[in-house]
Amino acid sequence: GAVVSQHPSRVICKSGTSVKIECRSLDFQATTMFWYRQFPKQSLMLMATSNEGSKATYEQGVEKDKFLINHASLTLSTLTVTSAHPEDSSFYICSASSAGSTDTQYFGPGTRLTVL
Amino acid sequence: QKEVEQDPGPLSVPEGAIVSLNCTYSNSAFQYFMWYRQYSRKGPELLMYTYSSGNKEDGRFTAQVDKSSKYISLFIRDSQPSDSATYLCATPRSSARQLTFGSGTQLTVLP
Repeated sequence: GAVVSQHPSRVICKSGTSVKIECRSLDFQATTMFWYRQFPKQSLMLMATSNEGSKATYEQGVEKDKFLINHASLTLSTLTVTSAHPEDSSFYICSASSAGSTDTQYFGPGTRLTVL
Repeated sequence: QKEVEQDPGPLSVPEGAIVSLNCTYSNSAFQYFMWYRQYSRKGPELLMYTYSSGNKEDGRFTAQVDKSSKYISLFIRDSQPSDSATYLCATPRSSARQLTFGSGTQLTVLP
């Protein structure tokens, strides 16, 4: 149980375009979803926390107009990187937790974004 | 000072060795601790979840928490090449359920 999927697993786009990444909880209802960014050989950096039906809470230094997060249902959250630039190239990982699991987060497999 | 400190390694051991991975934390209010394993280009996978001081065992893995010294450890017995990954310690930051991660320790088990 507790499976989280992400789509796409890898995306390459041109500078200036927008990219949408989906995160789905497959076998549980995710009341809270988290989006992380990870650079090579570094740890996960939390970008934002989203609760179903509410606006996302962004970490300090993360541009909310650039990284649009939608958590419209208990099984789906999306991250849209708007007007992507090469410096946005990174590994983006989502995680999800349910109301009954307190602090346990289950992670998706990640999406590798490359902006040319 | 980071809330959770972890030796980044890299750590290289021969197959069958006992591996010790360690983290320290600064906030005595932290109550729960997790260990995640992350293979290259994959999302982290929850390995162990501990609450109280002492040891928790699961197969070849043992998680140890010493709240008096704010020290957490993960021991891997009879290490296998398939254990080669980055290991991250984590603790919930607040009631918002946000996790604070250590920097991760890259482990390689040589056959």
